[in-house]
Amino acid sequence: EIVLTQSPGTLSLSPGARATLSCRASQSVSSTYLAWYQQKPGQAPRLLIYGAFNRVTGIPDRFSGSGSGTDFTLTISRLEPEDFAVYYCQQYGSSPRSSFGQGTKLEIK
Amino acid sequence: EVQLVESGGGVVRPGGSLRLSCAASGFNFDVYGMNWVRQAPGKGLEWISGITWNGVTTDYADSVKGRFTVSRDNAKNSLYLHMNSLRAEDTAFYHCASQYGAGSYDYWGQGTLVTVSS
Repeated sequence: EIVLTQSPGTLSLSPGARATLSCRASQSVSSTYLAWYQQKPGQAPRLLIYGAFNRVTGIPDRFSGSGSGTDFTLTISRLEPEDFAVYYCQQYGSSPRSSFGQGTKLEIK
Repeated sequence: EVQLVESGGGVVRPGGSLRLSCAASGFNFDVYGMNWVRQAPGKGLEWISGITWNGVTTDYADSVKGRFTVSRDNAKNSLYLHMNSLRAEDTAFYHCASQYGAGSYDYWGQGTLVTVSS
């Protein structure tokens, strides 16, 4: 089983700041199979990034993904008020098996 | 418009059973793999089960293996999760999520709450 560890657990930043969220895998993950989701209170998760760096249609370009192997990063270049939420990374693939990181809460400083 | 709507949640005693359903509309359900992801109140996401588009392959997280069974009926655009021997730690919102091929989870339902309590 691939375990994903996200850091930090909580990130306190001001609007306009740059956010860097980390996701580390216990073993190498193909970049093709790494995604990032955003979840706001009372809502279902929303897919932001798939294949490590591909933005979903309609997601602002201030969101970007990078990384390979065991280390992946979600960067939000300039935080908007609506970006404060919880973010999860996920590894998936051709088999049904998958796993999520424990999440990073991005809160307003 | 794509919709995934879960139902069947409720309060059940430890050791009890429950069947969840996920009704899909607005996309070609029969070519998508489907998954169940749960979230305990205030906690993170946990993948618990997945099934391929044709129902041939299924898989489960260790936490539910042997107790939960996933199935689907493509004629009814529906996904199911049969849950047996429920425990307090199964208390969570249960979401269904679609997966095209080996892709990420593009559509999610709002979830149905399962509470296991005596």
